[in-house]
Amino acid sequence: DTGVSQDPRHKITKRGQNVTFRCDPISEHNRLYWYRQTLGQGPEFLTYFQNEAQLEKSRLLSDRFSAERPKGSFSTLEIQRTEQGDSAMYLCASSRRGGGNEQFFGPGTRLTVL
Amino acid sequence: DAKTTQPNSMESNEEEPVHLPCNHSTISGTDYIHWYRQLPSQGPEYVIHGLTSNVNNRMASLAIAEDRKSSTLILHRATLRDAAVYYCILRGNDFGNEKLTFGTGTRLTIIP
Repeated sequence: DTGVSQDPRHKITKRGQNVTFRCDPISEHNRLYWYRQTLGQGPEFLTYFQNEAQLEKSRLLSDRFSAERPKGSFSTLEIQRTEQGDSAMYLCASSRRGGGNEQFFGPGTRLTVL
Repeated sequence: DAKTTQPNSMESNEEEPVHLPCNHSTISGTDYIHWYRQLPSQGPEYVIHGLTSNVNNRMASLAIAEDRKSSTLILHRATLRDAAVYYCILRGNDFGNEKLTFGTGTRLTIIP
């Protein structure tokens, strides 16, 4: 399977714990995006990378959130001191550069904070 | 971010064509019109995109108005597997404007 993969698919944690999610994009894609989706809403942009450079961060991305793409391949999204409001589906997507290229989404990681 | 307006929900009979409208009156000259859909419990899936001319692919057709202020996604023969939320999104081609800004989309229900 050469699509976008995410790990884990589900994560249940207690409030205050740290969690880390991983995304493996399609190998030839230099753009990687993170989105968050809550129930009944469309996905909301969090951040994106071109290769290893983080180019934009949404105001939704508080100081407790950090994302990396160390070698321009896979990416990690870490949430520190989780809160119940962080419960959501975290989606990763990748694409080639340019607005005329489609984004390919992974299956998402569903986070539940108790 | 340029915004789009879609109906909240639509219904269609199975094996009938479906026309999903989208208004984007503030579109800029370099914005692409993208359509994605999201099936239950899955990540969004690319459907089709265009800039000025109508587009066809194996999944659907995209009809773009001459002034580009509206577009219509056409599913030629709806199946039960087409039941999903469909998002119409404007995607910029400028550096920093390539992210997708999702609205609430149109929830399409297919009636057997």
